[in-house]
Amino acid sequence: AQTVTQSQPEMSVQEAETVTLSCTYDTSESNYYLFWYKQPPSRQMILVIRQEAYKQQNATENRFSVNFQKAAKSFSLKISDSQLGDTAMYFCACDSNYQLIWGAGTKLIIKP
Amino acid sequence: NAGVMQNPRHLVRRRGQEARLRCSPMKGHSHVYWYRQLPEEGLKFMVYLQKENIIDESGMPKERFSAEFPKEGPSILRIQQVVRGDSAAYFCASSPRGWSSNQPQHFGDGTRLSIL
Repeated sequence: AQTVTQSQPEMSVQEAETVTLSCTYDTSESNYYLFWYKQPPSRQMILVIRQEAYKQQNATENRFSVNFQKAAKSFSLKISDSQLGDTAMYFCACDSNYQLIWGAGTKLIIKP
Repeated sequence: NAGVMQNPRHLVRRRGQEARLRCSPMKGHSHVYWYRQLPEEGLKFMVYLQKENIIDESGMPKERFSAEFPKEGPSILRIQQVVRGDSAAYFCASSPRGWSSNQPQHFGDGTRLSIL
């Protein structure tokens, strides 16, 4: 069975600092996508960034970047110059055909 | 271009009543996915539907839960005889064609179901 593990239930950093959220996964698929979603207090589910497993280059989206280590099955999210609006739950997910398999989430708090 | 629309945003039901959750996919999307999020947890897949077809309902409880996506109108997730344990956020997502990793699922804002 495919699994996604987020080992940090909660993290907090000061505004403008850089923070890294960890995620490990297990899949038997040869090609797959990995995602980070953000769920702010409004509880919407917002796609932050995604990575194609066959691409070696790490995905970046403005202040958000990933460190994708395929052999280690690791997919961490780095947020640079963190902002108060980054406060949210962050979920890592892996696709398994049409299902998204989700981690339990990391609660990120950005302190002023 | 409107996103995935779910309604209602909040739904309160008493034990034993029926809950109907609606999801209108993004324009041009014919594939719908339902997920459930219990408090303090990630999302869990429930069911995947195309127009008039259920493709995979392996994540949906076999009793009391049903889903449909008719030719016309929104997708409906129906929960009969609700119990306290059904309290959760229910998210709908859609994609334009058959599942492809190149087509990320777009999520609605969810329906918060509370059972009294």
